[in-house]
Amino acid sequence: AQKITQTQPGMFVQEKEAVTLDCTYDTSDPSYGLFWYKQPSSGEMIFLIYQGSYDQQNATEGRYSLNFQKARKSANLVISASQLGDSAMYFCAMREVSGGSYIPTFGRGTSLIVHP
Amino acid sequence: GAGVSQSPSNKVTEKGKDVELRCDPISGHTALYWYRQSLGQGLEFLIYFQGNSAPDKSGLPSDRFSAERTGGSVSTLTIQRTQQEDSAVYLCASSSSRRGGDYGYTFGSGTRLTVV
Repeated sequence: AQKITQTQPGMFVQEKEAVTLDCTYDTSDPSYGLFWYKQPSSGEMIFLIYQGSYDQQNATEGRYSLNFQKARKSANLVISASQLGDSAMYFCAMREVSGGSYIPTFGRGTSLIVHP
Repeated sequence: GAGVSQSPSNKVTEKGKDVELRCDPISGHTALYWYRQSLGQGLEFLIYFQGNSAPDKSGLPSDRFSAERTGGSVSTLTIQRTQQEDSAVYLCASSSSRRGGDYGYTFGSGTRLTVV
């Protein structure tokens, strides 16, 4: 079974509108962490936001927020007021302990295209 | 350095040759990861180093792949007898803590390996 599932291969959004990128996860580790990364066409991986499993509030970072629904094992990324520069691949990742190692596992990604 | 440095940025090699990819993590970062990203795909975990502990090699796809980390800093990923299916972008990431935390994992720009 996949540990991180991103069901949207591609998403389109109009500039200045909000968009939600879905991510579900599966783990038995009670102390896990969730991350979102942006990968523009240049290839670099840019860290966006982090949510710890014990955090009571949803993480926010500027125009990015993480809609964390622990019972549903869901960690959706919300981008408000989309900009053309937001066009990129977005990866959800989870860090859990496995055999004493803390290894982040990444989803397959969602390609976001922002239209003017 | 200020970021994670990887070299070379591009490498073209003939099938059957050995290649070495280098990663210089952020100074003081104890955790170091190697990932592989094939065209249009997510990130595939290869190997993880944490401080002076034995590395977690559970993601290495075959015994042609090996990696070492000298002095807890620079890491080298070696691929012996390269095959065409080894063509991919090899990404290195480092973190100040094994749990990632609020600052996530910092990635290098990657090495694009092409086996011809």
